[in-house]
Amino acid sequence: DAKTTQPTSMDCAEGRAANLPCNHSTISGNEYVYWYRQIHSQGPQYIIHGLKNNETNEMASLIITEDRKSSTLILPHATLRDTAVYYCIVRVDKAGNTDKLIFGTGTRLQVFP
Amino acid sequence: EPEVTQTPSHQVTQMGQEVILRCVPISNHLYFYWYRQILGQKVEFLVSFYNNEISEKSEIFDDQFSVERPDGSNFTLKIRSTKLEDSAMYFCASTRGTLYQPQHFGDGTRLSIL
Repeated sequence: DAKTTQPTSMDCAEGRAANLPCNHSTISGNEYVYWYRQIHSQGPQYIIHGLKNNETNEMASLIITEDRKSSTLILPHATLRDTAVYYCIVRVDKAGNTDKLIFGTGTRLQVFP
Repeated sequence: EPEVTQTPSHQVTQMGQEVILRCVPISNHLYFYWYRQILGQKVEFLVSFYNNEISEKSEIFDDQFSVERPDGSNFTLKIRSTKLEDSAMYFCASTRGTLYQPQHFGDGTRLSIL
């Protein structure tokens, strides 16, 4: 799996959009970008993933650059409950692929009132 | 929404004792995992399990560790003779294993070795 680089920490005001960047310059053509988050001492929670098109679900949006070397997770209206460590993980995704997840240190997002 | 459940939430054990951590994966999932997180450190993969056998294990998962799916619903992690350095959060995860299906995690068991 390709390595990712994320800022150590970020702050965001409640109600504003939180934009979390991730660099994955060595990503391969068949590797997806996954985002998980970990709220204090809880298990990692899946947020979203994508290959090359932008993706949106009820939790967040994922913007992947055209060259796929970086991406941004967007929480459109951050709340205090979004305070967590956010992990960007790249991995191959195909039917039956059940490889382990390799977590980095992630970005600690602090949402303040 | 179905979820992965883990028991107990906190386990305190004397060094050298055996401990069993329990997990109930999501019911239609086929692949199961254990991860651990030492306080202040990264989440680390321990082992994956499919079709009643280990698919992959990390260097951490030595002879002191074992996993089992004793029935159709539970997935357990056993540490035979615990050491102080086994103190950590242990997370169970599961996935259906089909395309685009992520791994879903439980909220973990905090294991404290005295």
